[in-house]
Amino acid sequence: EDKVVQSPLSLVVHEGDTVTLNCSYEVTNFRSLLWYKQEKKAPTFLFMLTSSGIEKKSGRLSSILDKKELSSILNITATQTGDSAIYLCAVLHPAGTASKLTFGTGTRLQVTL
Amino acid sequence: DTEVTQTPKHLVMGMTNKKSLKCEQHMGHRAMYWYKQKAKKPPELMFVYSYEKLSINESVPSRFSPECPNSSLLNLHLHALQPEDSALYLCASSQDVSLASTDTQYFGPGTRLTVL
Repeated sequence: EDKVVQSPLSLVVHEGDTVTLNCSYEVTNFRSLLWYKQEKKAPTFLFMLTSSGIEKKSGRLSSILDKKELSSILNITATQTGDSAIYLCAVLHPAGTASKLTFGTGTRLQVTL
Repeated sequence: DTEVTQTPKHLVMGMTNKKSLKCEQHMGHRAMYWYKQKAKKPPELMFVYSYEKLSINESVPSRFSPECPNSSLLNLHLHALQPEDSALYLCASSQDVSLASTDTQYFGPGTRLTVL
């Protein structure tokens, strides 16, 4: 069975801290791994990592894919209260005649003053 | 522009009602998706449409009926729902959904559905 596991489930940090969120996966025929940020409504896209693009960075956020360990990390440096959200990891893989995303349970991040 | 729009934002319906959720994208994407998300849970895939044809149905009960009238629109028809169907219903789209795809899925804001 295809599975995506995230850790920790929740995390409380102080503003300015650096955090590392983890994602591991077991899927058949991995295509890509995506990170999303979800606040009150829809998930917003952060990064996509593939075999040809295993490291991405945008401002204070960065992500690395480890294909050997079947895992990824999302780093956030100098956290701000606006980073408080649920961070979802999802893996794209074939399913029947199409491809689908399987999501992890998410990491709930709370950044306090 | 990576916008997916959904209407309505909120919907309250009784168990005997018939209603529809609508989703629209103008990014030229050829794959569209319906997800269901319960509180404190990740999105769960319901349906995938590719080039206006149903590609994946994740064993969703027949009280949910998807429809893809054209490449920009995706509907979800609801009939005889149960209170446990109350959730956030998310629509998403991507350029492609083929077996070789690595395309990003972009989500709409969702419809928060309450079934009384």
